[in-house]
Amino acid sequence: QVQLQESGPGLVKPSGTLSLTCAVSGGSISSGNWWSWVRQSPGKGLEWIGEIYHSGSTNYNVSLKSRVSISVDKSKNQFSLKLSSVTAADTAVYYCARGSIAAQVYYFDYWGQGTLVTVSS
Amino acid sequence: QSVLTQPPSASGTPGQRVTISCSGSSSSIGSNAVNWYQQLPGTAPKLLIYSNNQRPSGVPDRFSGSKSGTSASLAISGLQSEDEADYYCAAWDDSLNGWVFGGGTKLTVL
Repeated sequence: QVQLQESGPGLVKPSGTLSLTCAVSGGSISSGNWWSWVRQSPGKGLEWIGEIYHSGSTNYNVSLKSRVSISVDKSKNQFSLKLSSVTAADTAVYYCARGSIAAQVYYFDYWGQGTLVTVSS
Repeated sequence: QSVLTQPPSASGTPGQRVTISCSGSSSSIGSNAVNWYQQLPGTAPKLLIYSNNQRPSGVPDRFSGSKSGTSASLAISGLQSEDEADYYCAAWDDSLNGWVFGGGTKLTVL
């Protein structure tokens, strides 16, 4: 059973950089999956941040692209998110998720439990 | 404002059938499959429907999905109290080259 676990600071100062890691267990990050970050502001809906393949290929949300970087560490079976120049609007629960494919259709089949990141001084 | 449009709320009584709509564009739903996620209070989203109308193993057949043109729908029949949750549609958007979600629909079982 695949499990994803987010970790990182729960509090980040404004203008700082948010850094989170998602540890993958029960499966290899080098399998044929894309690995995503999704966030949810308090009381709001889901927002896709970006994704990475084990080769290092990435896709980012155009609205966040200038501030986002996602990387993969195959040796540790994990992937990471960096979001720079954060403001209070970046306060959210951040989820990592696995993108799987069936019959040429992608979907998020496994999700981490989520981690709340608050941007505040 | 979300790229995919869902009604903010829906409701029904136990045993009823409810539907939740999701409207997109030619570059999102019009060109790609729709997935649906269920988010119970205080938990992570869970895959409910993929590829427009496919249920993952373990999802009751009370849940069904459909797609037509640039819109999709999630139907829940035989409504149960445990179905009370937020429901999100999602699709890849070719123009944005990324995933887009609906704003979510809060389902209340009366």
